[in-house]
Order: sequence, then C-alpha cells, then structure tokens
Amino acid sequence: GQSLEQPSEVTAVEGAIVQINCTYQTSGFYGLSWYQQHDGGAPTFLSYNGLDGLEETGRFSSFLSRSDSYGYLLLQELQMKDSASYFCAVGSGTYKYIFGTGTRLKVLA
Amino acid sequence: DVKVTQSSRYLVKRTGEKVFLECVQDMDHENMFWYRQDPGLGLRLIYFSYDVKMKEKGDIPEGYSVSREKKERFSLILESASTNQTSMYLCASSSPSFRGSYNEQFFGPGTRLTVL
Repeated sequence: GQSLEQPSEVTAVEGAIVQINCTYQTSGFYGLSWYQQHDGGAPTFLSYNGLDGLEETGRFSSFLSRSDSYGYLLLQELQMKDSASYFCAVGSGTYKYIFGTGTRLKVLA
Repeated sequence: DVKVTQSSRYLVKRTGEKVFLECVQDMDHENMFWYRQDPGLGLRLIYFSYDVKMKEKGDIPEGYSVSREKKERFSLILESASTNQTSMYLCASSSPSFRGSYNEQFFGPGTRLTVL
C-alpha cells in the first residue's frame, strides 16, 4: 500500500525551532512537498524537494532523503501565527498526490 | 491574484439526495483535484482531471463522480448522498508537474457538507 506517516501533534514555544518528520511508502516518487493549513483555511504551499538535500525559504526549511524515504520540515524562530496543521505530500505519479494525515503544531507564548 | 472558488462554504443535504459541488479556477490550470478532509485522515484524493473531459479515480472514488466540461470548472457529484459522506471537500488546481519539477496545488476554501 501507499502511506505517509507524520506525527499527529507537536508543541513548541515561541522563538524555538521545531522539526516535523514525514516518512513515506509509495509506488512512485515525484518529490515531497509541504503545505500549511490554518484552522478554517485552505492548505497553502510551503516547499518542495525533488532531490536529496535541504531547501530553505526564509524561516522554513525542508529536507529530503530519498534513500531513507524520509523528509522533514524545519520551522525556525517560531511565531504564534505558525500555529497550524502541516501536511507532507508525495507525488506518486505525474498527476497524483498523496497527502499525510497532518501534524498539528501548537506554538505557546 | 490566483483564485480557486467553490460554490458553497456550507451545505446541508438529506440522505439520498443528489449533490453537486462546483469548483472554478481562474489560472488556466490543466489539472484539477477533489479531496475530502476528515479529522485524523488528512486529505484523501477522490478524483482528478488532467484535461477537459478527462478524469482519473483517486483513492476513494466510491459514491462519487465528476464532470469537467470546461477547463476552468470541475464538478464533484454525489449520486445519492449518505451520512458517511459528511466531510470537508476541497478542490485544488495546478499546472502539470513532471519528474524533477513541481507545480504547487492551489486550494479552494472548501465546502463543509453535512448529510442528514
């Protein structure tokens, strides 16, 4: 079967660094992407890794290791507005994407 | 400003009714998707379309059908609504992605459907 695993919930304090892991098992692999969703809102794109290594976009970084079928999203200098759900998604074909179940991040003051 | 719109934010229907959920995008995207989102289950793909009149089943197509007569519009149809189809439905669109490249999906605001 195809599956993505990520922690259900992570809690951290403002200003801290948090890492959200994602492991995947899919029949095809067209890269790993991350989406953010605030309560009541639509998912919005954060980052994409097609090759191994680290991608950095401001306070957010994403990492991929294809040999380990593993990636993570790193959030630095946490802010209250970062409280949201974070989804990893794997492209398993040209058109098809599989999403993880989401990690709810709570940022405490 | 790119936009994906869905016909309703909230919808209440009765068991057995035929339900239409409409999605329109203004970005000239080839790909369009319908997901349902349930607590603890994340986003699950129902159907997707990569061109007008073209459609492919996702992971949970049972009880649903779709229609794409125009490039900008993708409709999800519940032929006979059931209580287990109570959920948040999200539409998304994107340009095609190919191995080594990626085009992000743009999501609509969602339709929260309740089937009584």
